[in-house]
Amino acid sequence: DVKVTQSSRYLVKRTGEKVFLECVQDMDHENMFWYRQDPGLGLRLIYFSYDVKMKEKGDIPEGYSVSREKKERFSLILESASTNQTSMYLCASSLEGIREKLFFGSGTQLSVL
Amino acid sequence: QKEVEQDPGPLSVPEGAIVSLNCTYSNSAFQYFMWYRQYSRKGPELLMYTYSSGNKEDGRFTAQVDKSSKYISLFIRDSQPSDSATYLCAMTSNTGNQFYFGTGTSLTVIP
Repeated sequence: DVKVTQSSRYLVKRTGEKVFLECVQDMDHENMFWYRQDPGLGLRLIYFSYDVKMKEKGDIPEGYSVSREKKERFSLILESASTNQTSMYLCASSLEGIREKLFFGSGTQLSVL
Repeated sequence: QKEVEQDPGPLSVPEGAIVSLNCTYSNSAFQYFMWYRQYSRKGPELLMYTYSSGNKEDGRFTAQVDKSSKYISLFIRDSQPSDSATYLCAMTSNTGNQFYFGTGTSLTVIP
């Protein structure tokens, strides 16, 4: 089974802090994604990456950046955390060419105070 | 208009009931259709997927796609309390890297 692992389940940070969310997948997937999930808004794509060192903006990239130095790891960075970034963050991965299978991690619930 | 519309519910049914969950979409290029189950404070888990039109059955779960109506459904037979979760539909096309999600339907199965 595919395993997508997010480093933290719950995280509490202060406004203005730099925040790193880490995601690792163990199935050699080319594509990796970061979403945030908010009640009533569903899942919104922040960034995705289709290869090492490649990234593309999703629907809501403002205030975020990403890093993919190795194929299995995709990091989301909040440069200066703000209270409106309090959310559930979900990492996902998929194999190039297999479009019907997108696998998610367990999520990180981030609270910015 | 959103790409994917899903009734948020909440839906509450007695144990053993047949549950019908639905999504509509606007983009005729969508070819891959997925259903995810998400338990509280967990990530979505891929439940079923179909390609193009038709039905797919897996145990108590049946997924249907009607591309002419741009309508997909998930049926749960003999629903169990363990089916209580939020169900998300998702879809994508043959090209591009974007997946489009419904906002999810919250289901509670009462013992």
